[in-house]
Amino acid sequence: GNSVTQMEGPVTLSEEAFLTINCTYTATGYPSLFWYVQYPGEGLQLLLKATKADDKGSNKGFEATYRKETTSFHLEKGSVQVSDSAVYFCALSDLSSSNTGKLIFGQGTTLQVKP
Amino acid sequence: DGGITQSPKYLFRKEGQNVTLSCEQNLNHDAMYWYRQDPGQGLRLIYYSQIVNDFQKGDIAEGYSVSREKKESFPLTVTSAQKNPTAFYLCAIGTGGNTIYFGEGSWLTVV
Repeated sequence: GNSVTQMEGPVTLSEEAFLTINCTYTATGYPSLFWYVQYPGEGLQLLLKATKADDKGSNKGFEATYRKETTSFHLEKGSVQVSDSAVYFCALSDLSSSNTGKLIFGQGTTLQVKP
Repeated sequence: DGGITQSPKYLFRKEGQNVTLSCEQNLNHDAMYWYRQDPGQGLRLIYYSQIVNDFQKGDIAEGYSVSREKKESFPLTVTSAQKNPTAFYLCAIGTGGNTIYFGEGSWLTVV
């Protein structure tokens, strides 16, 4: 079945460091891929998405490229800030379901940025 | 102010009680979802609805029930049959392109 695997957390970085959070997936067909961010005590916010191979999603300095050959969608940011501290979720759309919009989530990766 | 409104933010349930979580949206979207989040884990789908008066079970529907009598409302009832209900519950709406947007969530604790 379809699944998403994220790198284990927590990830602890100093401010202005480079960030990579790895995400790989298993899916049939060509799912859309997403990154969501969750700040403490809040719901999930859509960070970026990509809908086909080689697409690059970007938002707020974060980027991720849909790599079909490696079934990956790694999240990157060139210079993190303390305000980026949150939990990040990778997700894919479940095309095996007739329900468009059903997402399959990874387990989340906690990022802590220290001043 | 528009968007997705969940209430209450915090809810406590006694053993054997049913409780209902509210989810309202004024964005005029047909698709609505309920997800459950446990600490350190990803989200799991409980129920979803793509149109008024119709809904489908997700991956973990046992112990939960929903209704969709109005387009803007999709309440979730956590019944006494749900043996481990303590979790963070997230309502979401679906837009075109397989994208979903979440509400702020409701914390449910069994006391």
